[in-house]
Amino acid sequence: GQQLNQSPQSMFIQEGEDVSMNCTSSSIFNTWLWYKQEPGEGPVLLIALYKAGELTSNGRLTAQFGITRKDSFLNISASIPSDVGIYFCAGTSMDSNYQLIWGAGTKLIIKP
Amino acid sequence: EAGVAQSPRYKIIEKRQSVAFWCNPISGHATLYWYQQILGQGPKLLIQFQNNGVVDDSQLPKDRFSAERLKGVDSTLKIQPAKLEDSAVYLCASSFRGGEAMSYNEQFFGPGTRLTVL
Repeated sequence: GQQLNQSPQSMFIQEGEDVSMNCTSSSIFNTWLWYKQEPGEGPVLLIALYKAGELTSNGRLTAQFGITRKDSFLNISASIPSDVGIYFCAGTSMDSNYQLIWGAGTKLIIKP
Repeated sequence: EAGVAQSPRYKIIEKRQSVAFWCNPISGHATLYWYQQILGQGPKLLIQFQNNGVVDDSQLPKDRFSAERLKGVDSTLKIQPAKLEDSAVYLCASSFRGGEAMSYNEQFFGPGTRLTVL
């Protein structure tokens, strides 16, 4: 079945640093989404991307839909303690019957 | 606006026992999803309902899992009998309508039920 390769698996950063994570696929996606999940909670949508090349910001978060439609990245600028959590990419495609396909997540840990 | 409600939050059972989870979606949301999230992985769709009809259950292990949404509002997911590999968080999500070809209908997730099978 379709898979999304998300990297890195985890990140240990200092408060104030910028963060970058990405997601790739071997097939074309129509929609790219970025979610954040905190312990004991369900995922919460951060950014949705619908067009190749689209660059969208949500506060300190910026995400882009790759031109090839096979990748996406998420950047977080000037990280703060509440950014801690697991970030997931997800996408939909005709091949997935427009169901969400998820990456394995990037765990963000902020060093004291 | 109230979010997606799920219960119980935690459940511990022994293998071969049965278990049921309950979900109440956001009011007015026609589409309801059940996902399985194994530790260290992203959620995997088990079943999608549109009102009280099943849209997609292709990844539901039908020999042991069942789900219903009889009145098109709340839903139950049952596992009978449970296996060790069923240990996971079971997430319920709802959206105003289902995903469509050129747009995405935001899914709102509940807090999940953490199932441990011993």
